[in-house]
Amino acid sequence: QKEVEQDPGPLSVPEGAIVSLNCTYSNSAFQYFMWYRQYSRKGPELLMYTYSSGNKEDGRFTAQVDKSSKYISLFIRDSQPSDSATYLCAMDTGRRALTFGSGTRLQVQP
Amino acid sequence: DAGVIQSPRHEVTEMGQEVTLRCKPISGHDYLFWYRQTMMRGLELLIYFNNNVPIDDSGMPEDRFSAKMPNASFSTLKIQPSEPRDSAVYFCASSFPGHSTGELFFGEGSRLTVL
Repeated sequence: QKEVEQDPGPLSVPEGAIVSLNCTYSNSAFQYFMWYRQYSRKGPELLMYTYSSGNKEDGRFTAQVDKSSKYISLFIRDSQPSDSATYLCAMDTGRRALTFGSGTRLQVQP
Repeated sequence: DAGVIQSPRHEVTEMGQEVTLRCKPISGHDYLFWYRQTMMRGLELLIYFNNNVPIDDSGMPEDRFSAKMPNASFSTLKIQPSEPRDSAVYFCASSFPGHSTGELFFGEGSRLTVL
């Protein structure tokens, strides 16, 4: 079993929809939780970063962490075609080397 | 800053050949990471360095893989001999001191195809 599980998709939604992306994990030592976005043929870039359980909002993006359930989510409101990318969850125990999910490919249709 | 610079961007080689991938991290960053990305396995950590010293190489798949960081501005990942199953995109990333965790700055990757 992988330490971090993520549905690979693809996920196709119409423009303006609310998107929900999720990851589960098995390692209780993970303390830091991130979402990276990766456009085609590019390297991943950090989108959201959270520490501890709870919600964090940044514009149209909300990251949610539930440590008791070992479950993290990313919500995208009013999705745009420019949001079309692969979204990777990432986690860290504090050693600074991230463990990534396999990524969910999102397509927002205009 | 120019960001993390990787070369070559694309490499096509034949099985058994030596492959060397290169990385220049962002100036001032003290951590350097090598990741490999495939459709089947996603993004996997191969090895990472702190202040040019390898910290964890447990992700290096076999003895055919080796990585070096001779100075703060340069790192190499070498595969010798290469095999078709090594075909993947190899990413280098760096992060800066004083930041507990979280943000890695990735290069654009080196796409390797071994025939």
